[in-house]
Amino acid sequence: SQQGEEDPQALSIQEGENATMNCSYKTSINNLQWYRQNSGRGLVHLILIRSNEREKHSGRLRVTLDTSKKSSSLLITASRAADTASYFCATVRVYNNNDMRFGAGTRLTVKP
Amino acid sequence: NAGVTQTPKFQVLKTGQSMTLQCAQDMNHEYMSWYRQDPGMGLRLIHYSVGAGITDQGEVPNGYNVSRSTTEDFPLRLLSAAPSQTSVYFCASSYSFAIYPLAGGSANTGELFFGEGSRLTVL
Repeated sequence: SQQGEEDPQALSIQEGENATMNCSYKTSINNLQWYRQNSGRGLVHLILIRSNEREKHSGRLRVTLDTSKKSSSLLITASRAADTASYFCATVRVYNNNDMRFGAGTRLTVKP
Repeated sequence: NAGVTQTPKFQVLKTGQSMTLQCAQDMNHEYMSWYRQDPGMGLRLIHYSVGAGITDQGEVPNGYNVSRSTTEDFPLRLLSAAPSQTSVYFCASSYSFAIYPLAGGSANTGELFFGEGSRLTVL
């Protein structure tokens, strides 16, 4: 079964606004990663947060991790039309370091 | 570097036909994997390999075979295609899912590198 579940399934905002996407997972993890997928393309890695980290930043991206709630959030600040894409969280589990499980994704639309 | 290369990009099969999706990477990654992506389902892991000669099953392995005779190549075989196998297939590779320093001052980022996908339709 899938490890991660994103929320919301779809999000539509105006350019300049912030976008927040959430991810919940089921089992203990080594790390959690966020990926972006443009329509018709492969996934591209955005950021990785380790299980012993609570927050991480990369440019306009901010990721938080709450292992007690088994959840993570991805914040994109000052969004741009080019941020329109699907965003997926992925987890590497403690008891199986050899596979990465993905959620169903959040479809973000940023209107110019 | 070309990264992860998948062929073909599009394929239409009839039920019962067989075919192989090709995947090659030129990054000397030990880890390679195959996912399928269906609407509303995200990506589901089919098979993976942690090195040449080693393969293992993921979440949805039934109906698919893999082999890993070289570090570079990881083909996915459909022996008898079914309409339920209509999907977009992604191959991905990685050094490792952990962050660790590499020679020369860089660092492994723990990420998966994806190909552009192969869209398969089974009629």
